[in-house]
Amino acid sequence: GQSLEQPSEVTAVEGAIVQINCTYQTSGFYGLSWYQQHDGGAPTFLSYNALDGLEETGRFSSFLSRSDSYGYLLLQELQMKDSASYFCAPSGGYQKVTFGTGTKLQVIP
Amino acid sequence: ETGVTQTPRHLVMGMTNKKSLKCEQHLGHNAMYWYKQSAKKPLELMFVYNFKEQTENNSVPSRFSPECPNSSHLFLHLHTLQPEDSALYLCASSQEGLAKAYEQYFGPGTRLTVT
Repeated sequence: GQSLEQPSEVTAVEGAIVQINCTYQTSGFYGLSWYQQHDGGAPTFLSYNALDGLEETGRFSSFLSRSDSYGYLLLQELQMKDSASYFCAPSGGYQKVTFGTGTKLQVIP
Repeated sequence: ETGVTQTPRHLVMGMTNKKSLKCEQHLGHNAMYWYKQSAKKPLELMFVYNFKEQTENNSVPSRFSPECPNSSHLFLHLHTLQPEDSALYLCASSQEGLAKAYEQYFGPGTRLTVT
């Protein structure tokens, strides 16, 4: 079967670091993507991990452990503009991508 | 125009109306997708087109009818909708067909309200 879990809401302080976890069960798993969506906006692609380990892109990093069916998105030096919903999206068989309900991140001063 | 564009951005229609949503991508991609996004629900994949061929119809009711005349354009024809169809409809595209489905580029969406 397919399942996807991430926290529904996270609150963090401006300038701090926050980690958003994702656990998944996907048939024929290929890799894990992360997307950001601001209220009223479109999802935007952040990162993709096909192999185990950490991928860094500026203030954002994404980690994958295939053996644990687990990944996380790490946001450093949080800014107010980082307040948004973050979706992990595993890719499965036939390149099918599954989106969950996302994690709503609120950055507070 | 750059990226993925969608028109109209907002649409209010009655249950007996017929309307169409349009999506255009200016990225040279080969795969295009329709999603439905409702409050508190996961993004729901509706249809996938790979090089103009429909590869996925995710059990979508027949009142939604997609059309993909070429790799750059995607339409969603709507008729006799129900109030529960009110949602944000998002179009997306990806390059190299489905090979890079993990990296999708989304349009701004059409906010649909069915009265």
